[in-house]
Amino acid sequence: EAGVAQSPRYKIIEKRQSVAFWCNPISGHATLYWYQQILGQGPKLLIQFQNNGVVDDSQLPKDRFSAERLKGVDSTLKIQPAKLEDSAVYLCASSLRRPSYNEQFFGPGTRLTVL
Amino acid sequence: AQSVTQLDSQVPVFEEAPVELRCNYSSSVSVYLFWYVQYPNQGLQLLLKYLSGSTLVKGINGFEAEFNKSQTSFHLRKPSVHISDTAEYFCAVSGNDAGGTSYGKLTFGQGTILTVHP
Repeated sequence: EAGVAQSPRYKIIEKRQSVAFWCNPISGHATLYWYQQILGQGPKLLIQFQNNGVVDDSQLPKDRFSAERLKGVDSTLKIQPAKLEDSAVYLCASSLRRPSYNEQFFGPGTRLTVL
Repeated sequence: AQSVTQLDSQVPVFEEAPVELRCNYSSSVSVYLFWYVQYPNQGLQLLLKYLSGSTLVKGINGFEAEFNKSQTSFHLRKPSVHISDTAEYFCAVSGNDAGGTSYGKLTFGQGTILTVHP
């Protein structure tokens, strides 16, 4: 079974530029999560999708971050414009269903450096 | 609101020694607890989880954890570590709110870097 795929693995941009990350979850997984992991901290949820609908985006900085999962499968996360403090690893995860006890499977992450 | 505190940011140990990584959580209602491991430049991998039932949970790679409701703890243990256990370990909590609605999302601790020396 293929795992969660993410691309690119690394990205370096200047502040005020825009960037997009892509995630393809495990086939059949209805729930998709984007986490931000700043160096030295645990991952923090940015947004959670159930199929193509948003369940929780309470911690997404909506003035600069956006995410979509149009067909309920793969997803993109965009930052526009980027700030220095956006430097982090962006992790995508998926689970079969939404309930709390469902194991989340994580992709390898995209390491973003904002200069 | 949920929160997780990992009491040690770094734990150095020698190979074949026992290790305990400490985790305390706070949550208003029912909780599900997880330990994940992250190797350098990789995503997170589930080690073990507590959903209900026996408070002693066994996971992969010889790790186990004990759920202690009265102390709101979920410490991770391994009786004899190997060099390959060197990684960062994250404790996480999920659960339901007072109305029984599932959170779904995980709240993570700050992580504990385990370094195993030869």
